[in-house]
Amino acid sequence: DADVTQTPRNRITKTGKRIMLECSQTKGHDRMYWYRQDPGLGLRLIYYSFDVKDINKGEISDGYSVSRQAQAKFSLSLESAIPNQTALYFCATSQGSKNIQYFGAGTRLSVL
Amino acid sequence: QQQVKQSPQSLIVQKGGISIINCAYENTAFDYFPWYQQFPGKGPALLIAIRPDVSEKKEGRFTISFNKSAKQFSLHIMDSQPGDSATYFCAASAGGRGGADGLTFGKGTHLIIQP
Repeated sequence: DADVTQTPRNRITKTGKRIMLECSQTKGHDRMYWYRQDPGLGLRLIYYSFDVKDINKGEISDGYSVSRQAQAKFSLSLESAIPNQTALYFCATSQGSKNIQYFGAGTRLSVL
Repeated sequence: QQQVKQSPQSLIVQKGGISIINCAYENTAFDYFPWYQQFPGKGPALLIAIRPDVSEKKEGRFTISFNKSAKQFSLHIMDSQPGDSATYFCAASAGGRGGADGLTFGKGTHLIIQP
């Protein structure tokens, strides 16, 4: 969905490096999410935010941090990347109490 | 602990046939059950969703059947077409604050529709 934009689309980094994945949305939604997808494991929730002052940990938050810079921007950071963080990362948005989540096209991250 | 179990992992169906994917959940607080469709290189997109106050929801060729007592729900794709070939994920969420906490996903089903 072009309304949810993730950058970069692909990234290769080395173990121990700090990396930031960015997500921006033009949908005007208040809620934003970061998920990780691994083959055979589905998608797992890393962090989610109901607004700029409301950040919540998801199922697998260890090793990750997030920042909600504005309603439209939600970034995911890996402070010290490790190889098992190699995965496809998705950002999603939703509005209020509506459960429909809209996903970006994903960022493929490889940690060597 | 996996809260949403999805089967099968992969499925091959002939064109025109019925594709059936099943999911089971454990958390009785779940009150929203969507199915997402994902094509290669794309993010998941909502296909159809159901709440536990109904037992079935149909949208075109796609139907969700929901069994609250068994804590199971399934996706049926009627008259399956090659364009339906994709990965399908079931998911669930609890009401939380206003309903939009994160989704808990199944592991996915890779569906191939053979011409």
